[in-house]
This record gives sequence, C-alpha cells and structure tokens, in this order.
Amino acid sequence: EVQLVESGGGLVQPGGSLRLSCAASGFMFRAYWMSWVRQAPGKGLEWVANIKEDGSEKYYVDSEKGRFTISRDNARNSLYLQMSRLRTEDTAVYYCARNDYSVRWYYYMDVWGKGTTVTVSS
Amino acid sequence: EIVMTQSPVTLSVSLGERATLSCRASQSVGSHLAWYQQKPGQSPRLLIYGASTRATGVPGRFSGSGSGTEFALTISSVQSEDFAVYFCQQYSKWPPYTFGQGTKLEIK
Repeated sequence: EVQLVESGGGLVQPGGSLRLSCAASGFMFRAYWMSWVRQAPGKGLEWVANIKEDGSEKYYVDSEKGRFTISRDNARNSLYLQMSRLRTEDTAVYYCARNDYSVRWYYYMDVWGKGTTVTVSS
Repeated sequence: EIVMTQSPVTLSVSLGERATLSCRASQSVGSHLAWYQQKPGQSPRLLIYGASTRATGVPGRFSGSGSGTEFALTISSVQSEDFAVYFCQQYSKWPPYTFGQGTKLEIK
C-alpha cells in the first residue's frame, strides 16, 4: 500500500524551530518529486515547497524562502521540512504529498499523508 | 502568481441531484488543472488531473471539463459520501502551485 506518514509537529513558541518528517512506503520514493502543503485552521490549501527526485532542485513559496528548508533522504525513504523563525501564522496542518505527472514538469499531487499539526503560540 | 477562484463558495444539493462546481484561473493553465476532495478531518484526495482524467478509484459520476481559464467539476448524481470541500489546483506555472479557496458541497 502506498503510504505517507508525517511526524514532528507540535507546539512551539514564536521564533522557534521545528523539523517535520514524512516516511514513505509502498512505492519507489527516489523516483518521485515530493511536496509539502499546509492548511491553516478552517482555511484552504497552500503549497509550501517541493523537491526533485534526487534532491538537486528545490522550490519554495516566496513567503517562506529563507525560513523553510526542504530535504530528503532517499536511502531512508524520507522527506523533511526544517522550519525556523516560526510565526503564529505558520500554525497549520502540514501535509506531505507525492508529485506525479503525465507530462514531465507538470506535477499534480496524487498521494497525501494524514498530516502533522504545527501550532505556533506563546 | 496564478490566482484560482472557485464558485460558489457553498453549493447545496439534494441526494441524486447533479452538482457543478466552477474554477477560474487568472491566466491560462492549459489543461494542467487538478481537483481534490477533502472530507472533515481527512487529508485531500486527488479526484481529477489533466482537467478531465479521473484518478485511480474515483467513481464515474465525477467528471472534469474545461481548459485555459475555465474549468468545471461535475458530479452527475450526488451521493451521501460526496459531501465535502472541493479544491482546484493549477500546476501549469509554478512555483508556486496555487489552489482555489474551495467549494463546500452540502446537503440541501
């Protein structure tokens, strides 16, 4: 079964840091681009970052450039999101998602994890 | 950045009725448009990609149409399990990928 399981969320104070993890199973992890998408309470979906199969290319939403770092370990079938200088507006459920394509470079998100909750509050 | 706008915000339908949800892009995205379904407390589920291709396991009552800037998701006969929030997303010009704000499908 194709599965993504996020972990690492929790309560953190403003200005703090947190590292999210996503464990992949049931598919060839190293063959897929991967994304992080977040959803603030009661709000819509916001793409945060993605990373190429081999980790050589990374892209971020403009608002998070410099604060968030996406990475992966293909030997461990794992995706990560290092978040620093956290703000209250970063409070959200963070989802890990597999990126698939019909035409290369045009990636949609075909498998999603259940998410991990990050709460930034003093 | 491409802005995605969904309408209506809330759609009330009765069981067995046809439901049509709309999504508009601020500039052409070709056919690089996906639809997701999200039920309360769950993660999003891919329904449609390429504007009109159903994802694996998606019932045939779901269909997608459109290209360029105007898209629609149609549920031919709404079932009880279809009441959820639906999001469209463009993946033509990224970064960033952008989503619509969602349409909530509720029971009339």
